Amino acid sequence: AQKITQTQPGMFVQEKEAVTLDCTYDTSDPSYGLFWYKQPSSGEMIFLIYQGSYDQQNATEGRYSLNFQKARKSANLVISASQLGDSAMYFCAMRALDNAGNMLTFGGGTRLMVKP
Amino acid sequence: NAGVTQTPKFRILKIGQSMTLQCTQDMNHNYMYWYRQDPGMGLKLIYYSVGAGITDKGEVPNGYNVSRSTTEDFPLRLELAAPSQTSVYFCASSYSLGGELFFGEGSRLTVL
Repeated sequence: AQKITQTQPGMFVQEKEAVTLDCTYDTSDPSYGLFWYKQPSSGEMIFLIYQGSYDQQNATEGRYSLNFQKARKSANLVISASQLGDSAMYFCAMRALDNAGNMLTFGGGTRLMVKP
Repeated sequence: NAGVTQTPKFRILKIGQSMTLQCTQDMNHNYMYWYRQDPGMGLKLIYYSVGAGITDKGEVPNGYNVSRSTTEDFPLRLELAAPSQTSVYFCASSYSLGGELFFGEGSRLTVL
């Protein structure tokens, strides 16, 4: 069974500073993908970044980077230079890649609040 | 570039009514998914499709049906709506098995 744990229910960060959102996972599948999604108050799910379990390098997308430590089973999201628009819920998710029907397992989410 | 489009965005149903949530994507993605998100929770997979004419159940399929007659469209049918189906429904698509999922804006359904 897959499990995603996000230990920070809520976090504050000062505008323009960097912030790390924690995510640990547990799976017995050798091939899996890790995802981060942003859900603003309007409710839509916005894909941020993806890391495959066999990827050698940490994923980066603009101000987002994923600190992937496979041995520790962690996939923390780093947001650099926080902006007020980054205030939202952030979900870490993973999916085994051997079957299209494998569910995308979500963590409980972290609410990030950016202070001006 | 529209991406994944869902309609309607909001709907209130009475117990026992039926309705269809529409989902269409213009990215030529093979894989499409329907998820539901209950308040304060992550998403749960209802049904998925790996291509036109092929659908399969996810984690919580009871009370729902889907069809995939074209690559672009993946409607979700609710039969005999129940209060337990009050949720936000997300349609998503991906190009490949390991690729990221692109989500629609969500459809908020309330069953009273």
